[in-house]
Amino acid sequence: SQQGEEDPQALSIQEGENATMNCSYKTSINNLQWYRQNSGRGLVHLILIRSNEREKHSGRLRVTLDTSKKSSSLLITASRAADTASYFCASSYNTNAGKSTFGDGTTLTVKP
Amino acid sequence: GAVVSQHPSWVICKSGTSVKIECRSLDFQATTMFWYRQFPKQSLMLMATSNEGSKATYEQGVEKDKFLINHASLTLSTLTVTSAHPEDSSFYICSARGRLEEQYFGPGTRLTVT
Repeated sequence: SQQGEEDPQALSIQEGENATMNCSYKTSINNLQWYRQNSGRGLVHLILIRSNEREKHSGRLRVTLDTSKKSSSLLITASRAADTASYFCASSYNTNAGKSTFGDGTTLTVKP
Repeated sequence: GAVVSQHPSWVICKSGTSVKIECRSLDFQATTMFWYRQFPKQSLMLMATSNEGSKATYEQGVEKDKFLINHASLTLSTLTVTSAHPEDSSFYICSARGRLEEQYFGPGTRLTVT
């Protein structure tokens, strides 16, 4: 069963605003990854954050990890219409041979 | 990042036929690949883990005789949907595991069974 949960399920903002998506998981992880998926397309890897890391940046993306709360957040700053997509978190657990468990995803719509 | 390709991108087949989907890691060797399926507006569900040179490990509820997986080399895994039925219509995505545990995903294959 999917262990990751994401909120919100859907988010609609104006171009230029920031978008924050959250992900929670249930057991200890090796790492957590964020992906983006445009409608009908494959997944694009955004950021991997390891269990001993608290924050990572990549361009306009910032990912945080709070292992005490078993949660992670993805912040997209200064959003653009092209950021419109679904965003998934995937957690990799210590004892599952490298498998990742995906959250339900957040659908982000950025209005121009 | 690393590149993973899938072929075909989309396929339409008749009920009862078999369809093979290829997943290739183009610029790195992947000892482990994963196969997922995704229904519209839903998340990815892991079907099986494909290990080079050994049998695939299937997730609970996935029929191994229906979804045949072969990981014949360090750059190629195939998923064959046997005796396809309309309920098998879905988006199938593979991923290859890199050295640092990250996963690189293919672009997906949309299967429609009529």
